[in-house]
Amino acid sequence: DVKVTQSSRYLVKRTGEKVFLECVQDMDHENMFWYRQDPGLGLRLIYFSYDVKMKEKGDIPEGYSVSREKKERFSLILESASTNQTSMYLCASSFGAGRATGELFFGEGSRLTVL
Amino acid sequence: AQSVTQLDSQVPVFEEAPVELRCNYSSSVSVYLFWYVQYPNQGLQLLLKYLSGSTLVKGINGFEAEFNKSQTSFHLRKPSVHISDTAEYFCAVRKSGTYKYIFGTGTRLKVLA
Repeated sequence: DVKVTQSSRYLVKRTGEKVFLECVQDMDHENMFWYRQDPGLGLRLIYFSYDVKMKEKGDIPEGYSVSREKKERFSLILESASTNQTSMYLCASSFGAGRATGELFFGEGSRLTVL
Repeated sequence: AQSVTQLDSQVPVFEEAPVELRCNYSSSVSVYLFWYVQYPNQGLQLLLKYLSGSTLVKGINGFEAEFNKSQTSFHLRKPSVHISDTAEYFCAVRKSGTYKYIFGTGTRLKVLA
């Protein structure tokens, strides 16, 4: 079974702190994604990576950055956390071109509260 | 721009009754369609997907969906729901040739005893 593991299920941080959310997948997927989930808004794409060191901005990249130094790991960074970044963050992965089966595989989510 | 509309934000239904969760999308090109389920405090899990072929797709837990190209719909159905089906359901679309998925805002299914 594909496993996508997010390092922290629940975090509480203070405004202005730097926050790292880590995600690891064990299925050799090329693509990795970070989404933000808020009630009534569904899932919104923050960043997408299709290869090591490659990234593309999603729909709401402001206030976030990402890092993909190894194929299996994709990190989301909040340089200076703000209260409006309180949310559920979901990591996902999928096969790339040529091996695509279509679906995303999700981690359990990281619920971040910024005070 | 591509969009996905889930017409009902909440659907209450009694146990063993049938249910339909509606999903419409806007796209002028070929798309792949997905339904995901999210149980409380968990990530999303794939229920079923339409990539090509038969327009009636069967998924896990007795769910099925029908792709209707002319109506740009992909409604999810189950003939008899259980309490354990209480969850939030998301419809998603991926445009052919891209890796960007567009998600609907979700439908909360509440199964009542």
